[in-house]
Formats: sequence, structure tokens, C-alpha cells
Amino acid sequence: KNQVEQSPQSLIILEGKNCTLQCNYTVSPFSNLRWYKQDTGRGPVSLTIMTFSENTKSNGRYTATLDADTKQSSLHITASQLSDSASYICVVSYIGKLIFGQGTELSVKP
Amino acid sequence: KAGVTQTPRYLIKTRGQQVTLSCSPISGHRSVSWYQQTPGQGLQFLFEYFSETQRNKGNFPGRFSGRQFSNSRSEMNVSTLELGDSALYLCASSPGPGQSYEQYFGPGTRLTVT
Repeated sequence: KNQVEQSPQSLIILEGKNCTLQCNYTVSPFSNLRWYKQDTGRGPVSLTIMTFSENTKSNGRYTATLDADTKQSSLHITASQLSDSASYICVVSYIGKLIFGQGTELSVKP
Repeated sequence: KAGVTQTPRYLIKTRGQQVTLSCSPISGHRSVSWYQQTPGQGLQFLFEYFSETQRNKGNFPGRFSGRQFSNSRSEMNVSTLELGDSALYLCASSPGPGQSYEQYFGPGTRLTVT
């Protein structure tokens, strides 16, 4: 079964600290892997999109990595800010459809 | 450019009724996809439309249907509503078909079925 699993389910960190979110997938074949940020009450916003051949991509303080051999991806957030508090969703594109992970709920405390 | 707009933003319906949700994509975008988001299941793909044709469909019953107009605006219809249909319904637009393009999500329509 094609699945996308994220860990941890939730995370609390202090402002200014770094953190890493994990995504494991069993989807095959896949076209691309995306990370989205979803603020409460809003639609998701794309952070990064990586194809099979890419293994790292950055967007400001967000850096995503992809290991297609082990089918793992991570999203690293550097120098966290209060505005980083949100749900982070890993998404894998599979034959024209998107398969979503359940998300990691990140809370950044002052 | 204006973003993706969805109307209405909030909706309360009773079981057995039907509902129609609307999505206006970003100007120039011709693909619209619909998703259901619930706390238990997360985000799930409903269907994708491109140039007024349904290109892909997720694993939802036939009560869920959609269409796209010539101006790329899209509507989603749910008939015979069930309590389990309570969810946030999101639409996303992209310049082209398939999932190779960046998708831009609207704010969603919060549907509550009582």
C-alpha cells in the first residue's frame, strides 16, 4: 500500500532552536516529493518540491533532503521563529495523484 | 495576482442535504484539484480537473462530484450528506495538469454536517 508516514506527530521547541522533521514513504514510482506548511485555518503553502534526482533543496531557513534509495526525506528548520508554529506536511506525487502524510504539528515557544 | 478563492468559507448542512462548493483558481491556471481534510484522515485527494475534463479521481464515493467551467472555475458537489463528510475542503490550482506543477491552495471551505 502506498503510504507516507511522518514523525514525530508533534514537536515543541524553543524559539531560536533548530529542528528536523522526518518523512518515510513507500510510494513507488514517484514523481516528486513536497513539503508544505499549513497554518491553522489556512490552506497549505508549498515550501519545497524535489524530484527523484534531487537530494537537497532550500527555501530560506527550510532545507529538505531526499534519499530515494531509503525512501526517506527530512525537513530541517534553522533558527526557529514563533511564526514557524504550524503543521508540516510531506506529500508524494504518484501517477497523477498526491499522497499526503498526516503531518507534524510544530509549536515554537518563546 | 489574486490567490485561489473559495466560497463559501463556512457552511452548515444537515444529513441528507446536498452542497456545492466553488473554487476560483489563480488567473491563468487551468488545473484545479480538490482535497478533503479531516483530523483523522488528514488530507485526501478527491479529483483533478484540467480544461473542463476530470483527469484523476481519488477513492471517494460517487456522492462526490465536480466540474470545471471554461473559465477554469470549478465546483464540487456532495449529495446526500453524511456526518462523516464534515471536513475542510481545499482546492488548489496549478498552471498545468498532473502533479509536476506547483500547487497553490485556497483557504478552504469548512463544512459541518449535523
